[in-house]
Formats: sequence, C-alpha cells, structure tokens
Amino acid sequence: GENVEQHPSTLSVQEGDSAVIKCTYSDSASNYFPWYKQELGKGPQLIIDIRSNVGEKKDQRIAVTLNKTAKHFSLHITETQPEDSAVYFCAPSGVSSASKIIFGSGTRLSIRP
Amino acid sequence: DVKVTQSSRYLVKRTGEKVFLECVQDMDHENMFWYRQDPGLGLRLIYFSYDVKMKEKGDIPEGYSVSREKKERFSLILESASTNQTSMYLCATRTHQETQYFGPGTRLLVL
Repeated sequence: GENVEQHPSTLSVQEGDSAVIKCTYSDSASNYFPWYKQELGKGPQLIIDIRSNVGEKKDQRIAVTLNKTAKHFSLHITETQPEDSAVYFCAPSGVSSASKIIFGSGTRLSIRP
Repeated sequence: DVKVTQSSRYLVKRTGEKVFLECVQDMDHENMFWYRQDPGLGLRLIYFSYDVKMKEKGDIPEGYSVSREKKERFSLILESASTNQTSMYLCATRTHQETQYFGPGTRLLVL
C-alpha cells in the first residue's frame, strides 16, 4: 500500500531562523501535495499546497518544493515566529488513492524565543 | 468560508455506552471523513463517505460504525465504548480539488 514518511518528528528552531520539514511518499500517481498546520486544541488547517505540474510555490514566509522524481516534497518556513509553533502534517494524494488520503505522522515544531 | 462543526468538544463516557459523534458541514462537499488522532500515531482514518448513504472502511474501522443520511451530516457511532477508544476524533470534508477541511475535534474519554 501507499507509504508516507515525514521527517523530522520534532524540530526546535530559534525565532527568526528557518525550518524545513520533508515528506516522502511512495505512490507515483500522487499529484496533490498539501501541508496542514494543527495548533493546540484545533483541527488541522491547510497552509499551502502544490500540484504536480509545479516545482515550487511560495506564500509570504511559507514555501513548498516538490521533487516528483525522488517522490518527496518539503515545507519551508523562513523568519520563524512564535505563532509558527504547531504540529505540521503532509498528506499527498492522487487519482489512484481515490477518496483515501494518508497523512504523515506529523512534525512538532517549536520556536525558541 | 467552509465550516465543519462537531457536536461536542469534550465528552466523557463509560465503558459499554453507545456514543454518537456528529459532524455537520455547510459547503455541500460530497466527501466526509472520520479520523482519530493519538500521540505518536498521527491521523488514522476510521471511515469515510463519498455520498449520502455511502460509506467505506478506513484503516481502523473495528468498533465503529457511521451514518450518512443527509449530505451535510456524518455521524460516527461507537457501539459499545471501550477505554482504548479514548482519543481525539476529527471530522473532515474534502473538495474535488482534494483540500480537506477539518472540524475542531472531539476529545473523548472512556472510563
């Protein structure tokens, strides 16, 4: 079956530094690559996504890069701020997975003041 | 804005009780999902539904059932609650563009 791996599981960075989280997937038919952010006590929310016809997408301090050949995509957060502290999930999906989406195991990001 | 609401934020039940968790969405999405979230295990899919009265088992359906009588409402049922069903339960919908929208979650404690 499909396999999704997310690394690292925890990440602590100094405020103002950058953070990178990587997601590796096995289903070559995947064509949609989102990142979700879950704050304490809330459900996950989409923060950025990319489709397979694009290599990189940026939205202010957040960017996602995709390497379809190597089957991985990454979340980049620059100039980190305290409000970036949360758990982040990747959830690649595509036509072959029908309505089923497999989430990565999550990365707990902590921003040190 | 898409809104997904869950009937309770916190719930305490006793072993053997029948438990209903309800989820309502206001955006006419066909696909709805129930996940449970446990520390170290991420989000695991229990059941999903791609249309009214249609349902499919996810990865961990044992001990659960679901009901989708109306498009906007998807219910998760614990027929006989057990302590290992203590967890955070998350409902989600999905658009044709694949994005998922989550409710705030229900934290269930089974004593």
